[in-house]
Amino acid sequence: DIVMTQSPDSLAVSLGERATINCQSSQSVLHSSNNMNYLAWYHQKPGQPPKLLIYWAFTRESGVPDRFSGSGSGTDFTLTISSLHAEDVAVYYCQQYYSSPWTFGQGTKVEIK
Amino acid sequence: QVQLQESGPGLVQPSQTLSLTCTVSDDSISSGNYCWSWIRQSAGKGLEWIGRIYASGTTNYNPSLRSRVTISIDTSKKQFSLKVRSVTAADTAVYYCARSIAARGDWFDPWGQGILVTVSS
Repeated sequence: DIVMTQSPDSLAVSLGERATINCQSSQSVLHSSNNMNYLAWYHQKPGQPPKLLIYWAFTRESGVPDRFSGSGSGTDFTLTISSLHAEDVAVYYCQQYYSSPWTFGQGTKVEIK
Repeated sequence: QVQLQESGPGLVQPSQTLSLTCTVSDDSISSGNYCWSWIRQSAGKGLEWIGRIYASGTTNYNPSLRSRVTISIDTSKKQFSLKVRSVTAADTAVYYCARSIAARGDWFDPWGQGILVTVSS
C-alpha cells in the first residue's frame, strides 16, 4: 500500500494569513502515461463528511474558493490556503488514487490562532 | 446534485455481520460512468477505503478487509450495500458511502453523511 504522511499534524494560523499543509507519499503517484499526479485533497468539518477540494494535485473542484491551491509532483505535495478564513477551520486530508487500495493521509487540523 | 445516504443498525454485536445500505438520489447508480465506494473512519486508523462496486456488479476490495467484506448493488432500488462479517471492536467506525468517476480518477465526491457503527455486546 502507498502510505500518505501529512505534516504538520496541526497548525494554528491567524485570520488572513497563509496556511501550508504538506503531504508525502511513500512512492510516486505521478503516472508516466499522462504526466498526472493522482492526488486529491479534502477538508472535513466537525460532524460532516470529507469534502473534495482539489484533484490531480492542483485542479480545484467547482465552487472551491481560489484561496485554496495545490502543488507538487511525484511524492511531495502541498495544499496552501492563501488567506485563512474562519470557515476554513477543519481537518485536511490528502488521498492517493494512483494504486489500489486508495489511501489517505492521517489529517492536519487547521485552527485559528 | 446527487445525494447519498447511509442506513443500517448503529450497534452490532461482536462476531456478527455488519450490514449497511447506501441510497443514491438519482439514476447515476445505473451508469457505467461511476463507481460506488465504502469508506470508514475510526480514531485508530483514520480514513480507510473498504471497496467499490460498479453498476455491472464488478467489485474491488481493500486486501486488508477482502476476506470479510462483500459489496453488492441493486440499481432498481438505487442502492448499494456493504456487509462485514465477524466484526470486532476494531470495526467500530463512521461508515461513509461515496461516488467516484470511473476511468477518470478515484477521488470521492460526493460523500454520504456517514453512519456511526459501534461493535459491542
